[in-house]
Amino acid sequence: GESVGLHLPTLSVQEGDNSIINCAYSNSASDYFIWYKQESGKGPQFIIDIRSNMDKRQGQRVTVLLNKTVKHLSLQIAATQPGDSAVYFCAENGGTGKLIFGQGTTLQVKP
Amino acid sequence: DAGITQSPRYKITETGRQVTLMCHQTWSHSYMFWYRQDLGHGLRLIYYSAAADITDKGEVPDGYVVSRSKTENFPLTLESATRSQTSVYFCASREGAGELFFGEGSRLTVL
Repeated sequence: GESVGLHLPTLSVQEGDNSIINCAYSNSASDYFIWYKQESGKGPQFIIDIRSNMDKRQGQRVTVLLNKTVKHLSLQIAATQPGDSAVYFCAENGGTGKLIFGQGTTLQVKP
Repeated sequence: DAGITQSPRYKITETGRQVTLMCHQTWSHSYMFWYRQDLGHGLRLIYYSAAADITDKGEVPDGYVVSRSKTENFPLTLESATRSQTSVYFCASREGAGELFFGEGSRLTVL
């Protein structure tokens, strides 16, 4: 069956450093991937997405990389700030409009 | 206000009781979803709906019932609550393959 998983449950970085959060997926037919950020006590919020016909997509301070050969997705956050502290989820398109989420990586930003 | 709202935000109930969590969205999105979030499991899809009067099972549908008589509402009912259904429940909506928007969550405790 499908599974989406992040490599590390917790990532701790120094403020100002770059963060890289990784995710592996199993369904080679997935054509759409999304990263979400969830702050404590809130619902997940969309960060950035990428379609399978792309390898890289950039947003404001964030970049998503997709490696279809090894079924790997990563989220890079430049100049990490305290406000970036949250749980980050990757998700893949599970067909018929639904998204399948990974278990999440907690990003801790040290001042 | 426009958006997606869930109610109640917090609920404590007893084993065996029926509980209904409400979800309302003002965007007229076609798709609506219910996820539950538990430590170690991330977000797991319970049920989803592609349009009014169309619903389908997700990963963990047992013990839950949904309906979608109107596009804007997607209630989730636990017909006989069990302790294992203690969780945070998130409703979400999207239009086609667009961004998935989440509500703020409903925290349910079953004693």
